[in-house]
Amino acid sequence: GAGVSQSPSNKVTEKGKDVELRCDPISGHTALYWYRQSLGQGLEFLIYFQGNSAPDKSGLPSDRFSAERTGGSVSTLTIQRTQQEDSAVYLCASSPGTSQETQYFGPGTRLLVL
Amino acid sequence: QKEVEQNSGPLSVPEGAIASLNCTYSDRGSQSFFWYRQYSGKSPELIMFIYSNGDKEDGRFTAQLNKASQYVSLLIRDSQPSDSATYLCAVGSNYKLTFGKGTLLTVNP
Repeated sequence: GAGVSQSPSNKVTEKGKDVELRCDPISGHTALYWYRQSLGQGLEFLIYFQGNSAPDKSGLPSDRFSAERTGGSVSTLTIQRTQQEDSAVYLCASSPGTSQETQYFGPGTRLLVL
Repeated sequence: QKEVEQNSGPLSVPEGAIASLNCTYSDRGSQSFFWYRQYSGKSPELIMFIYSNGDKEDGRFTAQLNKASQYVSLLIRDSQPSDSATYLCAVGSNYKLTFGKGTLLTVNP
């Protein structure tokens, strides 16, 4: 009965380092989404998974960003060679998997790139 | 490009009043409409969803949808200080939600 979980909750890294952010969706949810929220801004869509495949990667801001999902469950968002403008809250959401469904959000990972 | 517009606020109402939050969207093909509440430093949580034209009530909350005008609103009756948060409008088409930037609501005791 647990909700969406994300780890770490906070991450401070130095410019140029790689980071991995993890999302564990609600059990049984086949759809998984990554969003980014910068300070005072709305939610920016990054990528959508249905099962293990990603039909929509259109929101990934650059080729430094990648994501994968394994076993139809856990997803990892990787940011390579981090830049200061990558600092934001990264939110993961999941839904049961058909269209028009509510997305349930995790608590987010706060990333700060120094 | 699909857009969802909200008044950024802040919207300030006294405790016990009705708060009215508005949202317009550009994509006429949108099929689902959501209101999320986001407290400062927290992640969005679902308040309501609506798919059909008209009103939908849930406790103190009423969502209103007018697809012809591409307009969706949220009314909060008997506003409480605990309702103070940013309210995000989200519009769905197939699997994808497009979010507005949110309206900051402050309910004054």
